[in-house]
Amino acid sequence: GAGVSQSPSNKVTEKGKDVELRCDPISGHTALYWYRQSLGQGLEFLIYFQGNSAPDKSGLPSDRFSAERTGGSVSTLTIQRTQQEDSAVYLCASSYWGRGESDTQYFGPGTRLTVL
Amino acid sequence: SQQGEEDPQALSIQEGENATMNCSYKTSINNLQWYRQNSGRGLVHLILIRSNEREKHSGRLRVTLDTSKKSSSLLITASRAADTASYFCATDDFGNEKLTFGTGTRLTIIP
Repeated sequence: GAGVSQSPSNKVTEKGKDVELRCDPISGHTALYWYRQSLGQGLEFLIYFQGNSAPDKSGLPSDRFSAERTGGSVSTLTIQRTQQEDSAVYLCASSYWGRGESDTQYFGPGTRLTVL
Repeated sequence: SQQGEEDPQALSIQEGENATMNCSYKTSINNLQWYRQNSGRGLVHLILIRSNEREKHSGRLRVTLDTSKKSSSLLITASRAADTASYFCATDDFGNEKLTFGTGTRLTIIP
């Protein structure tokens, strides 16, 4: 079946603008994760969803970052008033959460965000 | 913050040789996973080893886990040019589903 998909694959925006990044998880996967990868910080966790709720938002770097998930499927990561330090590759992953045990996380191709 | 360090940061070997990468982590874990990344984009899952396992094989991959030393190794046997990529270990701990990644090893296979 189809893997995790993300759109857009590349996004260039001007400082101060808002951006929305989209993630379509693997069908049937209940858990969805957002990470970002930047040169200075490596791979960092941002937020994770179980169904439509977000038990762990600890990785969101500021209140300019928010995410939502609807229908237990698609998720949108929104960055308001973008700053140059937001430039990074934003990666989404999904997993099937069964019996309270974590499972393999499958990653999408990422969205490369460049803030000018 | 990074959970672990990977060693070496970069590795270049001849095609056909074996490649070994190491990962160390700091806290108790539930399981440890290895991922490959090509060209700085999506991560491809390679193998998952649980905290109660010591060794796991998948094709040309062999992973070991030593929880007493908080370390893991990934061995790729009979390397191929297509194995050129960055390799990351990632851990998750009990009750905390997020993955914490190591710093990665950049592997280059020389044809």
